Amino acid sequence: DQQVKQNSPSLSVQEGRISILNCDYTNSMFDYFLWYKKYPAEGPTFLISISSIKDKNEDGRFTVFLNKSAKHLSLHIVPSQPGDSAVYFCAASGGRSARQLTFGSGTQLTVLP
Amino acid sequence: SQTIHQWPATLVQPVGSPLSLECTVEGTSNPNLYWYRQAAGRGLQLLFYSIGIDQISSEVPQNLSASRPQDRQFILSSKKLLLSDSGFYLCAWSGGLLEQFFGPGTRLTVL
Repeated sequence: DQQVKQNSPSLSVQEGRISILNCDYTNSMFDYFLWYKKYPAEGPTFLISISSIKDKNEDGRFTVFLNKSAKHLSLHIVPSQPGDSAVYFCAASGGRSARQLTFGSGTQLTVLP
Repeated sequence: SQTIHQWPATLVQPVGSPLSLECTVEGTSNPNLYWYRQAAGRGLQLLFYSIGIDQISSEVPQNLSASRPQDRQFILSSKKLLLSDSGFYLCAWSGGLLEQFFGPGTRLTVL
């Protein structure tokens, strides 16, 4: 049973526009959420996180929104740049093993020049 | 600053052969360490995690094993590889915060 779901395997966006990556979770015990970015043949790099006590966290071009009632979070990238093209994973922590992360299956973002 | 190393970067092994992948972390002490696998087109699957020397927890039953002989060394092993073991193996560490930091990964192909 997938506790963290990224239902869109791919997304294409024009350079300069907004990219919105979505993630849903089922475990109500999750209380910390993270986004990672991964280029091919490299390890994921941490982008941004949000605690369940907040509904928004912003870092430069990246903003993460959390809707606890809907068990949904999203990552907004604005403006999108070609270098943002990568696979984005959302991850969640909490509950039975607070120090473990449960990852979604990833969304391939392609930013078109 | 902290750095994490993995080797080898790529590996091609025949079915039934043994496996040893190594991960080391520098610049921190007593890290939590993790092994993940990313199969083709799939997400990251947690295989093992360790909170200290010789303290290993397995998340998924399989023919892989992990060991932590030193504080900052984490080893992933197998006695006999299966075709299904092919994938991209990632080591990660975390400290006092929940963010995990990943190594560069090892691409394993089992033929």
